[in-house]
Amino acid sequence: TQLLEQSPQFLSIQEGENLTVYCNSSSVFSSLQWYRQEPGEGPVLLVTVVTGGEVKKLKRLTFQFGDARKDSSLHITAAQPGDTGLYLCAGPHSGNTPLVFGKGTRLSVIA
Amino acid sequence: KAGVTQTPRYLIKTRGQQVTLSCSPISGHRSVSWYQQTPGQGLQFLFEYFSETQRNKGNFPGRFSGRQFSNSRSEMNVSTLELGDSALYLCASRGSSGSTDTQYFGPGTRLTVL
Repeated sequence: TQLLEQSPQFLSIQEGENLTVYCNSSSVFSSLQWYRQEPGEGPVLLVTVVTGGEVKKLKRLTFQFGDARKDSSLHITAAQPGDTGLYLCAGPHSGNTPLVFGKGTRLSVIA
Repeated sequence: KAGVTQTPRYLIKTRGQQVTLSCSPISGHRSVSWYQQTPGQGLQFLFEYFSETQRNKGNFPGRFSGRQFSNSRSEMNVSTLELGDSALYLCASRGSSGSTDTQYFGPGTRLTVL
């Protein structure tokens, strides 16, 4: 059983479109992190959300943590080819335990 | 500051062989974690070392082992390789063992088992 479920699994869109990807769990997380991984590289941390209802913006990317701290979303406005990659959400299951990762959303933005 | 480095970047082995992967964390980081990434299972935690001590271990068979040296460099070893061990092995370092600390990932070692 996957603790963090990400959807959609794959997404292919045209440059300039908007998109939202989701990260859901039946468990409460003290925090959630979003990473982007490009081919041949390791994941790079984009943001950490820690407060229920929190919204963080990183240029064209908007991250939201659900009020109950069981889900999170990532919205990209006017997607660009440089946004292409694997988007992963992750969080500590409890206390000081290692991060658990979702399987990711593979995004392809076509010029 | 140099990032996390992993060697080798690519490796091809045959079933039954053993392999050792190396990870050099960011200077000053004492925590090193290892993950296995496959298309089917995603990123799965293998183990974490902090100051040469294993702090956490994931749900992998005993064929997977690791160690950390006094300079914080870490190695992981997989013995009696199986086809299913083909994966990207990622190493991540952070300053402490606190789960809220930012993890910095290396580029990974792509292991192919034939």
